[in-house]
Amino acid sequence: GNSVTQMEGPVTLSEEAFLTINCTYTATGYPSLFWYVQYPGEGLQLLLKATKADDKGSNKGFEATYRKETTSFHLEKGSVQVSDSAVYFCALRVVDSSYKLIFGSGTRLLVRP
Amino acid sequence: NAGVTQTPKFQVLKTGQSMTLQCAQDMNHEYMSWYRQDPGMGLRLIHYSVGAGITDQGEVPNGYNVSRSTTEDFPLRLLSAAPSQTSVYFCASSYSIREVQETQYFGPGTRLLVL
Repeated sequence: GNSVTQMEGPVTLSEEAFLTINCTYTATGYPSLFWYVQYPGEGLQLLLKATKADDKGSNKGFEATYRKETTSFHLEKGSVQVSDSAVYFCALRVVDSSYKLIFGSGTRLLVRP
Repeated sequence: NAGVTQTPKFQVLKTGQSMTLQCAQDMNHEYMSWYRQDPGMGLRLIHYSVGAGITDQGEVPNGYNVSRSTTEDFPLRLLSAAPSQTSVYFCASSYSIREVQETQYFGPGTRLLVL
């Protein structure tokens, strides 16, 4: 079946540190891949997406590359800020009858000044 | 545009009570859905709709009903609340059901506590 696995959190970093949050997936067909972010007390917002192999999604300094050979979509940022503290969800979407997003369990990021 | 709106923000129910969680979008989106978010489990699909008058079940539909009488509204009904339904509920919508890369937009969520 289709599934997403994310690294366990929480991830605690100092400001300006390099961030990697690992995400791997299992899917039939050719999924689209997404990273959503949830700031404290808010709903989910799309951070970036990639729709085919080798595509790179980017937004607000975050990047992720769709790697079909390793079935991965790792999230990276070169220099995190305190304002990046949030929960990050990796997700995929496949063409099936429900068109649902399949989410990983989420990774909490805490950035300290 | 207000985007996706949800009411109430927070609700406490007693076991056996019923209630309706409201969801509305003003973007003329075809596709609407309800997810629940539980700790360590990500979000799971409860029900979805591909257009007015059309609804279907997701992964965890038991104990919930939905209807879609208009394009804008997609209420979620809890028929007889149980403590296992304590969760945060998110409504989401997207413009098209045909494009798998279509972005889904989420509401701010309703936090439900069932005692």
